[in-house]
Amino acid sequence: EPEVTQTPSHQVTQMGQEVILRCVPISNHLYFYWYRQILGQKVEFLVSFYNNEISEKSEIFDDQFSVERPDGSNFTLKIRSTKLEDSAMYFCASSPLGRAENTIYFGEGSWLTVV
Amino acid sequence: GQQVMQIPQYQHVQEGEDFTTYCNSSTTLSNIQWYKQRPGGHPVFLIQLVKSGEVKKQKRLTFQFGEAKKNSSLHITATQTTDVGTYFCAAGNSGGYQKVTFGTGTKLQVIP
Repeated sequence: EPEVTQTPSHQVTQMGQEVILRCVPISNHLYFYWYRQILGQKVEFLVSFYNNEISEKSEIFDDQFSVERPDGSNFTLKIRSTKLEDSAMYFCASSPLGRAENTIYFGEGSWLTVV
Repeated sequence: GQQVMQIPQYQHVQEGEDFTTYCNSSTTLSNIQWYKQRPGGHPVFLIQLVKSGEVKKQKRLTFQFGEAKKNSSLHITATQTTDVGTYFCAAGNSGGYQKVTFGTGTKLQVIP
């Protein structure tokens, strides 16, 4: 079964450093998402991406965050200057086009620890 | 913003007992999705409900969408240790494919 893949699975970074989390969505999907989950808390929406642009973003997704689809397969989340509170599991997800097919398929996540 | 609350936050059951988690929204929902997250894992889609009053079953799992489309429930009959995890409801917005807002989750522990 096709799946969303994410790298790295775990990254430790110093506060203030830039981090890039990478994702390969399911190949025939057109909508891409980033979510995050702080340890023990609920899953929070960050951003959705369609047709090479952001379609919606949450208040969490401030100027330190950016997303990019640099080629036909990868979808990246960049955090410019990490803060301690950015420590979380970051999930990439994708979904096929269409209202009736809006199931969101999640990757296994990238665990980010900011020290 | 949209608020999606779930109760209970935690539930411990003896293996074989039933389990129910309830999901309530502050607004009318276009659809509701349910996800299961095993400890240390990622959310896995279980089901989507769209119609008012809809009931769907998956083996021992029964999902309901309220008549007013503001609440939903997941009921597990005769729990097994493999049911352990956190169950999240997630509210789809009117566009459906844009984003979902996750509920607070119910963490289920099954005691063998």
